[in-house]
Amino acid sequence: NAGVTQTPKFRVLKTGQSMTLLCAQDMNHEYMYWYRQDPGMGLRLIHYSVGEGTTAKGEVPDGYNVSRLKKQNFLLGLESAAPSQTSVYFCASSFGGRDTQYFGPGTRLTVL
Amino acid sequence: AQKITQTQPGMFVQEKEAVTLDCTYDTSDPSYGLFWYKQPSSGEMIFLIYQGSYDQQNATEGRYSLNFQKARKSANLVISASQLGDSAMYFCAMREKISQGGSEKLVFGKGTKLTVNP
Repeated sequence: NAGVTQTPKFRVLKTGQSMTLLCAQDMNHEYMYWYRQDPGMGLRLIHYSVGEGTTAKGEVPDGYNVSRLKKQNFLLGLESAAPSQTSVYFCASSFGGRDTQYFGPGTRLTVL
Repeated sequence: AQKITQTQPGMFVQEKEAVTLDCTYDTSDPSYGLFWYKQPSSGEMIFLIYQGSYDQQNATEGRYSLNFQKARKSANLVISASQLGDSAMYFCAMREKISQGGSEKLVFGKGTKLTVNP
């Protein structure tokens, strides 16, 4: 099992550009999450999904959109990137809402 | 108010010695869960250990154990027989409800950087 995978691993964008981060999990988990990690801080929840076809906002959702068309995939989109979105993005998944979350390797995004 | 507090920005330990990383938490929910994750320099977040608020015994996983003191609201991670590969950032996290539907998120502390010296 690959667990949780993320693509790409690194990306540099210019202000105003758009991109999509892909998260995939092969553990048949219902719940998936997108977090961001900024220097000197722990992770903060952006959006999450409790199952295929569902999405919901976390604590820092502005500037991001998500989709969960397939159970194993969770996409994070930036429509118009801003320098404040420079961060490391982590995807996680869990079987249930109260179960251990397992993380992907992260995507380092720089917005110039 | 900070819900997870890790007061040690950095810790040093000699190889083969034990080290304790501190974590205190704040919640009014009687049912909660506490996690420790390791983040090596390569960047991934690795789950180490979990403690449920109703668990009677302290959690243990190999060289990792959790010193859970409920009345003090502390959940310190103890690493025994430190190895060079234990050098990493360590994050304490707590489950917190997002909605009434049972969804929960993880709230993280700011982390402790552990350096194991040979």
